[in-house]
Amino acid sequence: GESVGLHLPTLSVQEGDNSIINCAYSNSASDYFIWYKQESGKGPQFIIDIRSNMDKRQGQRVTVLLNKTVKHLSLQIAATQPGDSAVYFCAEKAKGYSSASKIIFGSGTRLSIRP
Amino acid sequence: DVKVTQSSRYLVKRTGEKVFLECVQDMDHENMFWYRQDPGLGLRLIYFSYDVKMKEKGDIPEGYSVSREKKERFSLILESASTNQTSMYLCASSSRQGVGEQYFGPGTRLTVT
Repeated sequence: GESVGLHLPTLSVQEGDNSIINCAYSNSASDYFIWYKQESGKGPQFIIDIRSNMDKRQGQRVTVLLNKTVKHLSLQIAATQPGDSAVYFCAEKAKGYSSASKIIFGSGTRLSIRP
Repeated sequence: DVKVTQSSRYLVKRTGEKVFLECVQDMDHENMFWYRQDPGLGLRLIYFSYDVKMKEKGDIPEGYSVSREKKERFSLILESASTNQTSMYLCASSSRQGVGEQYFGPGTRLTVT
């Protein structure tokens, strides 16, 4: 991949354990949040999203939690597998922007899996 | 299967050259985006387009321009490449309502020498 010189927060998890990846956001006007996964050599891939009127949303093996009080977002991956190794990005969209407007990505967390 | 393709995976250009990066999507999406990705900085939006011939500046448009003559194609142009434009360039598309669910291409690694 492109990891030379990359300085990301990292998380190392034992295969089979649950992973929790955290993200803090600063814009209290953000009303929509998204998690992306980027595997080495590929573009980011949408995982799951959540709107600000919710505090929890579940997908297949993934759960996103939103705490608006402390502006915190987390992604939980159940029973982590080797294929979950990737960089995970949170992203946010501010309320009031047009539907075509941009979302803002965080800097990412690299998840590595120990066998 | 949805697909966003980019014209090159790797590109090496000289300082001052004009560079074209092409992106094509087959999902009939209204929105298309160009990002650059640098170590530790995440993805930064350069330009986006919400319709044919429409474009809006993102966070770092300086030194770049874009063209969207057809719905499926969005081009990024570096008028005069500089070494600080060495980066990974990612194209994405989304439906009009699904701006958060963007589909990305594999990226173009551009090196400017």
